[in-house]
Amino acid sequence: EAGVTQFPSHSVIEKGQTVTLRCDPISGHDNLYWYRRVMGKEIKFLLHFVKESKQDESGMPNNRFLAERTGGTYSTLKVQPAELEDSGVYFCASSTVGLAAAPQDTQYFGPGTRLTVL
Amino acid sequence: LAKTTQPISMDSYEGQEVNITCSHNNIATNDYITWYQQFPSQGPRFIIQGYKTKVTNEVASLFIPADRKSSTLSLPRVSLSDTAVYYCLVAPYNQGGKLIFGQGTELSVKP
Repeated sequence: EAGVTQFPSHSVIEKGQTVTLRCDPISGHDNLYWYRRVMGKEIKFLLHFVKESKQDESGMPNNRFLAERTGGTYSTLKVQPAELEDSGVYFCASSTVGLAAAPQDTQYFGPGTRLTVL
Repeated sequence: LAKTTQPISMDSYEGQEVNITCSHNNIATNDYITWYQQFPSQGPRFIIQGYKTKVTNEVASLFIPADRKSSTLSLPRVSLSDTAVYYCLVAPYNQGGKLIFGQGTELSVKP
């Protein structure tokens, strides 16, 4: 079974440009999450999709970030315009179990996209 | 959400048993304790999860005392490939899956 995949693995862009990150979750996983780690900081939650709906976007830093999951399959995270502080590693994760299930459902992470904004 | 505290780094040698302790003094009744492992240039990977007492799988053991204010991840006979960052997370099962990562423990296994 294929794991969570992310594209690109690395992206280097100029400040003010736009970048779109893509995440393909494990097939059949309804839950999809985005996280990021900026330099020297901890991994931080960005948002959570259940199928195509945004369940929790409390971690999105500002309106320059737009996440979509049309059709409930893959997801994209667009940063427009990119700023220097957006540099970091962006992780995507997916899981099968819904909100009502216990215990904390296992999240499978992708390898991440390393974003560098110059 | 309960905050976790764990050592920033640990050193070990191949073949030794490694125990990483995590403090979570404010753990709630419906919180579970989960440990993830992260290798360089990879995403975190689930290792083990528990609620109380002891849990063991093919990778590690998790010891949780009765008061649940701490937990210990035990890695038997570590090898060089166990060099990684280990995260202790605490969250309620009905939260919706958001994971709150702390700084983790950077384990370095030497030959």
